[in-house]
Amino acid sequence: GDSVTQMEGPVTLSEEACLTINCTYTATGYPSLFWYVQYPGEGLQLLLKATKADDKGSNKGFEATYRKETTSFHLEKGSVQVSDSAVYFCALSAGGTSYGKLTFGQGTILTVHP
Amino acid sequence: DTAVSQTPKYLVTQMGNDKSIKCEQNLGHDTMYWYKQDSKKFLKIMFSYNNKELIINETVPNRFSPKSPDKAHLNLHINSLELGDSAVYFCASSQQAGGPWTQYFGPGTRLLVL
Repeated sequence: GDSVTQMEGPVTLSEEACLTINCTYTATGYPSLFWYVQYPGEGLQLLLKATKADDKGSNKGFEATYRKETTSFHLEKGSVQVSDSAVYFCALSAGGTSYGKLTFGQGTILTVHP
Repeated sequence: DTAVSQTPKYLVTQMGNDKSIKCEQNLGHDTMYWYKQDSKKFLKIMFSYNNKELIINETVPNRFSPKSPDKAHLNLHINSLELGDSAVYFCASSQQAGGPWTQYFGPGTRLLVL
């Protein structure tokens, strides 16, 4: 079945450091890929998405590129802020009979210190 | 204006009780979902409805019963609550059921079974 694997956390960085959170997936067909963010005590918000190979999603300084050859969708940011502290989830949505259900990775807790 | 709302936000109850969680979306979407987030933050799909029709029913105990009175509402009723049901339950909606559509999440209902 479909699955998503994220790098183990937690990740702790200083402000203005570079961030990479690795995400790889297994899916049949051509899934859409998403990064969601969950701030403390809140629901999930879409951070960015990509729906086909080589697409790059970007938002709020975060970027991720859909790499079909390596089945990856790594999240990157050049300079993190304290306000980026949250849990980040990589997810995929396959077509067909999956009806768009999201399959999530285990989440990566990011803490950014001043 | 809240796009996806859930009530209640917190629910503390005793084992064996029956409880319901309500979800409403004002986005005009056709598809709604229930996800469960466990204590390790892992998210898993439970159910999905498209235009009031059940389209996803994952391996969930039959003590859980979803109901969609109209396409803007999706409720979750849980019978005979067990300790292991303690989790955060998220409702989500998307314009249609399918891979590329973004899902919008509610704030979650934190259920604690004592």
